[in-house]
Amino acid sequence: EIVLTQSPGTLSLSPGERATLSCRASQSVSSSSLGWYQQKPGQAPRLLIYGASSRATGIPDRFSGSGSGTDFTLTISRLEPEDFAVYYCQQYGSSPRFTFGPGTKVDIK
Amino acid sequence: QVQLVESGGGVVRPGGSLRLSCVASGFTFSTYGMHWVRQAPGKGLEWVAFIQYDGSDKYNADSVKGRFTISRDNSRNTVYLQMNSLRAEDTAVYYCAKDLPIGDYWSGYTHYFDFWGQGTLVTVSS
Repeated sequence: EIVLTQSPGTLSLSPGERATLSCRASQSVSSSSLGWYQQKPGQAPRLLIYGASSRATGIPDRFSGSGSGTDFTLTISRLEPEDFAVYYCQQYGSSPRFTFGPGTKVDIK
Repeated sequence: QVQLVESGGGVVRPGGSLRLSCVASGFTFSTYGMHWVRQAPGKGLEWVAFIQYDGSDKYNADSVKGRFTISRDNSRNTVYLQMNSLRAEDTAVYYCAKDLPIGDYWSGYTHYFDFWGQGTLVTVSS
């Protein structure tokens, strides 16, 4: 079973700053199977990135994903006020078929 | 636009049953797989179940295997989650989500959740 670990648990930044979020898998995963979601309080998650680096429909280009093997990164180039939220990475595999990381909270410094 | 509306949540005693529904609109429901994903209060996301566009394939998380059953009615644009033998640890907001398949027949597909409903709360408590 592949386990996803996200770091840091909380990231305190100011609007306009760059955010770098990490997702590490316990064993190598295909880049095509790694995605990122954003969740704001009281709302459903929203798909940001699929295939490690492809932006979902309507996602601003300040969001970018990268990585391969066991190490993946979500970067928000310049934080906007609406970007303060919890971010989850997700992997599609064999068993279990879908695994989420524990999340990284990006809050206002 | 895509809309997913869940219903059927509530308070149920341990060992009890509940059936959740999710009505979809804004896309051709019968051509997409559907998922249920849950989130315990203050916790992260946990995938629960998936059903293929035509109901031919279904997968469950180990934590609900033998207790939860996913089904769909394409004539009603609705996906269901029948939950039996409920436990306290099943307490969560349950989201339905539309499947986004990426890939092709020859190299295979990976799957994501590209649209989500607002969720329905299930509380298992005596």
